[in-house]
Amino acid sequence: QKEVEQNSGPLSVPEGAIASLNCTYSDRGSQSFFWYRQYSGKSPELIMFIYSNGDKEDGRFTAQLNKASQYVSLLIRDSQPSDSATYLCAVNKNTGNQFYFGTGTSLTVIP
Amino acid sequence: DGGITQSPKYLFRKEGQNVTLSCEQNLNHDAMYWYRQDPGQGLRLIYYSQIVNDFQKGDIAEGYSVSREKKESFPLTVTSAQKNPTAFYLCASKVPGANVLTFGAGSRLTVL
Repeated sequence: QKEVEQNSGPLSVPEGAIASLNCTYSDRGSQSFFWYRQYSGKSPELIMFIYSNGDKEDGRFTAQLNKASQYVSLLIRDSQPSDSATYLCAVNKNTGNQFYFGTGTSLTVIP
Repeated sequence: DGGITQSPKYLFRKEGQNVTLSCEQNLNHDAMYWYRQDPGQGLRLIYYSQIVNDFQKGDIAEGYSVSREKKESFPLTVTSAQKNPTAFYLCASKVPGANVLTFGAGSRLTVL
């Protein structure tokens, strides 16, 4: 069983719509959760991190964490063509300081 | 500017050759990581180091070696024992206290 699972997509949304990206993780001991954005050919850049159950908002981005369901999501409001990228979900289990990444979801925002 | 510098950005290697990828950081971070990324497989951990002179194997360490002689430097050697080394290699360091990884720009290795 993979540590982190994501739907690879591709996910397409029209400009201005809400994009919803989902991620599940297998280890209930996971403590920290991250969303990274990766443009083609580039390295990942951090968008959001969340540690506690509930929602965390930063501008157009909202991360949602449900530890009981082992589920993390990222909502992108008012999607822009510049949001077109692959979004990687990552978790940290603290033990050994290891971070585990999902395979990523490809998002295309259509003008 | 503080950051992580990876070099070279692109590297071509013949089969049977060892190659070393450089990773240097001026962020004063203790923990550093090497990941490999293949299409459709996300990031897989090769090695990580929490302090100088100490490192641990990740999930796919076979065919790779690392050293951590200085806090700023964490080079990765891809040996001839690595059967399929063509990939995008990413070096990262962990922001102390924030438990967040920040990445270098990556090195793309192609075996001819």
